[in-house]
This record gives sequence, structure tokens and C-alpha cells, in this order.
Amino acid sequence: NAGVTQTPKFRVLKTGQSMTLLCAQDMNHEYMYWYRQDPGMGLRLIHYSVGEGTTAKGEVPDGYNVSRLKKQNFLLGLESAAPSQTSVYFCASSHLGTLGQPQHFGDGTRLSIL
Amino acid sequence: DAKTTQPNSMESNEEEPVHLPCNHSTISGTDYIHWYRQLPSQGPEYVIHGLTSNVNNRMASLAIAEDRKSSTLILHRATLRDAAVYYCILTSGTYKYIFGTGTRLKVLA
Repeated sequence: NAGVTQTPKFRVLKTGQSMTLLCAQDMNHEYMYWYRQDPGMGLRLIHYSVGEGTTAKGEVPDGYNVSRLKKQNFLLGLESAAPSQTSVYFCASSHLGTLGQPQHFGDGTRLSIL
Repeated sequence: DAKTTQPNSMESNEEEPVHLPCNHSTISGTDYIHWYRQLPSQGPEYVIHGLTSNVNNRMASLAIAEDRKSSTLILHRATLRDAAVYYCILTSGTYKYIFGTGTRLKVLA
């Protein structure tokens, strides 16, 4: 059982380039999330989805877009990468999003913007 | 959103119990208390959660104060593999987590 898989694991971009981070979960979870983590800090929520075809903004959504075309996948896009977006990105999923349900995290994508 | 306060760092000797405190004085009646840990270069890992009563699982125990304004994560016998950053999180009416900076636990051999 793979759980939450993030692709790619590492990436280096130049300022202004675009890219898409892929998150896939095989637990049939309804809710999915994208976080970023900067050095020495906790995770901050970028966007989340409560089901297929739905997305919503989190704490730090500017500069990112997301899509949830299939229940098992949640894509995070950077249209024009900036050095401030250098970070480690984590995807998570949870069942039904009820308060007591834990979130399951992937191992992260380390992104550097030059 | 209710916030949590944790010490920045703690140390423990291997095979001894560890008590990691968390203060959440503004917790609401429906907030669950979740604990996650993050090992180096990995995503956060669920440890335990509770609402009002103390909870036990194979990884740890969670002791919740009677007024719910604080809680303590208890690792019964710390191992070197328990060295991580531990996050105490309240789910304040939604499924969106607010992460603080957590407590960095160092386990001494």
C-alpha cells in the first residue's frame, strides 16, 4: 500500500519557469491538501480539496494553482516560479475531513528556484 | 483558530520516558488535539489524537488536562528513532491544520 506518493522528489527551476507537482493517494480519501515548509518552520496550507472537482484556498495560496480532476490525484501548479517559492512541498490526504481523522502525508518535493 | 504553545526543544535519554507538553488555553469544546511527528527529510507522521479523555496507542499516550487547556504526549521508552520534531495541533472547527514550529526532541544514547 503506497499511501501518498509525490512526484517528483526534487526539482530545480529557473525564475519564471512553470511546473506541476503531482500527488497521488490510493486510500480513497475524499480530502487532499498541499502544504509548504520553509526552513525551521512548520507546515503552511496552500490549497486543499474536499472532493473531486473542488478546490479551496488555504493560508498561503498566492502564486499557486491546483486541480483535482480525479479523486486520487491532486496537482499543484506554479505558473511563473519565483525564488520565494523555494521550499519543501508536502501533500496529504484524509478520510471525510472530520475532526478526528488523521492526515496522511507524502515524503515531500524539494523545490529550488534559482 | 486556536493556537498551541510548545517548547522549542527537549532532550531525553534513551529508554527513558519523555513527556512533551503543549498549551492550548483558547481551545474550544469541539477541538480535537492531534500530535504528529516529523523525522528528518520526511513528511509528518500521525502519532495520536484525542478530545477529552486520555488515549493510548502503540506509539504513545496522550494525557489531556481536565480543563483541556493543556496536554502531554508521553513516549514511554524513548529510542534514537524517536528523535524528531513533534507538533501539537488543534483542529479548530475544520479539517485544516495550523502547524506551529513544534518541539525538537533529541534522544541521547
